[in-house]
Amino acid sequence: GQQLNQSPQSMFIQEGEDVSMNCTSSSIFNTWLWYKQDPGEGPVLLIALYKAGELTSNGRLTAQFGITRKDSFLNISASIPSDVGIYFCAGHLGPYYGGSQGNLIFGKGTKLSVKP
Amino acid sequence: ETGVTQSPTHLIKTRGQQVTLRCSSQSGHNTVSWYQQALGQGPQFIFQYYREEENGRGNFPPRFSGLQFPNYSSELNVNALELDDSALYLCASSLGLAGPPYEQYFGPGTRLTVT
Repeated sequence: GQQLNQSPQSMFIQEGEDVSMNCTSSSIFNTWLWYKQDPGEGPVLLIALYKAGELTSNGRLTAQFGITRKDSFLNISASIPSDVGIYFCAGHLGPYYGGSQGNLIFGKGTKLSVKP
Repeated sequence: ETGVTQSPTHLIKTRGQQVTLRCSSQSGHNTVSWYQQALGQGPQFIFQYYREEENGRGNFPPRFSGLQFPNYSSELNVNALELDDSALYLCASSLGLAGPPYEQYFGPGTRLTVT
């Protein structure tokens, strides 16, 4: 099935560092969402974006809906150990581009680990 | 407020068997979506139920079917299980037309292993 391109695939963080990741697509999306998934659990919604250019924060997390509507970015400032996990971007095409309400399209995830 | 719950947590089945997974939506949510997540991949949309009817379907064969009940809980049924059906099955609920339509809240998932 169709998936979004997330990068990087994995990264190591040291406590206090800022982290950036992004998600790109060849299709225009109506909505972008960012989720975090811990081992053995379901994804947890972090941020939802509905307008091109929109910049939204949730605590130390900031996400942006790209102007082209084909990308989104997530930044984590001053990382802490509990930020470790897998971050997924998800997009929705919107009703005019064949997207049914439930059809979120996910990337493969960015895995955040602690630097040894 | 009760979150999304799923049962069972883990399940082992044999190829060719049938399985039923269950989901209770978050309090106040009337829409349920099901996703399949293979190891190392993002979730893939199976289908969504709204007002007890299928409201969109992903690229999954007819042996994947579902139900939604009047209390908004839902079941996912898979017939003639294949080895490739081994995955984490996630249920997500949302407010449907009553709220942000694409904000979906996930349960912990059911880990299905087909041998």
